Amino acid sequence: QLRESGPGLVKPSETLSLTCSVSNASLNDHSWTWVRQPPGRGLEWIGTIYFSGATKYSPSLTSRVTMSIDTAKNHFSLELTSVTAADSAMYYCARQRTGDFFDTSDFLLYYYMDVWGKGSRVTVSS
Amino acid sequence: SSELTQDPAVSVTLGQTVTMTCQGDSLRSRLASWYQKKPGQAPVLVMYIKNTRPPGIPDRFSGSWSATTASLTVTGAQAEDEADYYCSSRDSSGQHLIFGGGTKLTVL
Repeated sequence: QLRESGPGLVKPSETLSLTCSVSNASLNDHSWTWVRQPPGRGLEWIGTIYFSGATKYSPSLTSRVTMSIDTAKNHFSLELTSVTAADSAMYYCARQRTGDFFDTSDFLLYYYMDVWGKGSRVTVSS
Repeated sequence: SSELTQDPAVSVTLGQTVTMTCQGDSLRSRLASWYQKKPGQAPVLVMYIKNTRPPGIPDRFSGSWSATTASLTVTGAQAEDEADYYCSSRDSSGQHLIFGGGTKLTVL
């Protein structure tokens, strides 16, 4: 239902651009997230875009990240500028769900990503 | 706090039970979700909202939560459960999603 696309090779200092195409779901119903995993390392949240177009970005990437959403094409996109070798990773898009509820006397919030793309490998190299 | 702490690695004998934990101050009010990550595959959601399993996740996976700790238990671990497991939630500000460092589960 989610499919990432974009160049597999990006030169240092250039801009990484990826698109996540969504099928069998409407962008208007959820929020959408990008996650990456560099080789040999853990999962890293990049950012989330809401159907309204509002965005939240990782503090470590916020100066270089832009996410956008195109409801007409049913896809959302990621741009990461001034890339270095440290940005080489597998990039995943995912559907994010959030909500809240009262549990006895506690007000609890929840977040989870229930649908993921297969990933797009990006290598930064000249 | 903006961190979720997981044990780097745990092991379990085939058929036995193992519990993986995720600790963080933000978990006091922001529930964790858990993801299974195998090499070459996308992450798979295995647990959310304390103890809710998505369709297709075996019932040997269970979850719990108490204060600042979320736990994922595999009862009767199978060879196919060998993977990295990541917890995720938001930081205390509620603005940013965070992942734990991951736990590598080895099934012996």
